[in-house]
Amino acid sequence: EPEVTQTPSHQVTQMGQEVILRCVPISNHLYFYWYRQILGQKVEFLVSFYNNEISEKSEIFDDQFSVERPDGSNFTLKIRSTKLEDSAMYFCASTTGFDEQYFGPGTRLTVT
Amino acid sequence: DQQVKQNSPSLSVQEGRISILNCDYTNSMFDYFLWYKKYPAEGPTFLISISSIKDKNEDGRFTVFLNKSAKHLSLHIVPSQPGDSAVYFCAASASGDNTDKLIFGTGTRLQVFP
Repeated sequence: EPEVTQTPSHQVTQMGQEVILRCVPISNHLYFYWYRQILGQKVEFLVSFYNNEISEKSEIFDDQFSVERPDGSNFTLKIRSTKLEDSAMYFCASTTGFDEQYFGPGTRLTVT
Repeated sequence: DQQVKQNSPSLSVQEGRISILNCDYTNSMFDYFLWYKKYPAEGPTFLISISSIKDKNEDGRFTVFLNKSAKHLSLHIVPSQPGDSAVYFCAASASGDNTDKLIFGTGTRLQVFP
């Protein structure tokens, strides 16, 4: 069964550093998302992406965040200057639009 | 801003019995609801969904009920199995399809014991 993959599974970085989280959505999917879950809290929407542009972004998704689909397969989330409060599980999701959103296994980001 | 609420952080049920997980929402614009299951160190996995035009949807052991007037939905699992032990998230969207962002509840940890 096709699945969404994410790399790395765990990323440790120092405050102020840039990180790039990578996702490979399911190949025939057209809509892409990033969500995050801070430890002990709910899963929160960050951004949605369709037709090579951002469809919607949350208040969390400020100027420090950016997304890109550099080729036909990868979907990346960049955090330019990480803060301690960016520590969370980051989930990528995708859908054709006609079925549910499929989630990847997540990347645990730890900012020290 | 808790638009989707799961007031029970945990639930413990004996194997073979029914598990009932509840979810309330406040945004009347929500018209599509989903349940996801999550194991530790994995991403959420879709379980079942329901559109606001229905009040019930069933898939095997899983049934979701929607009460629009009460802004309440519930997930019934019967019979419960030990493999059902996980965190269950209720989610909602306002677009009527699968393209809109999902608003998640805080989750209910279900433990099914033998």
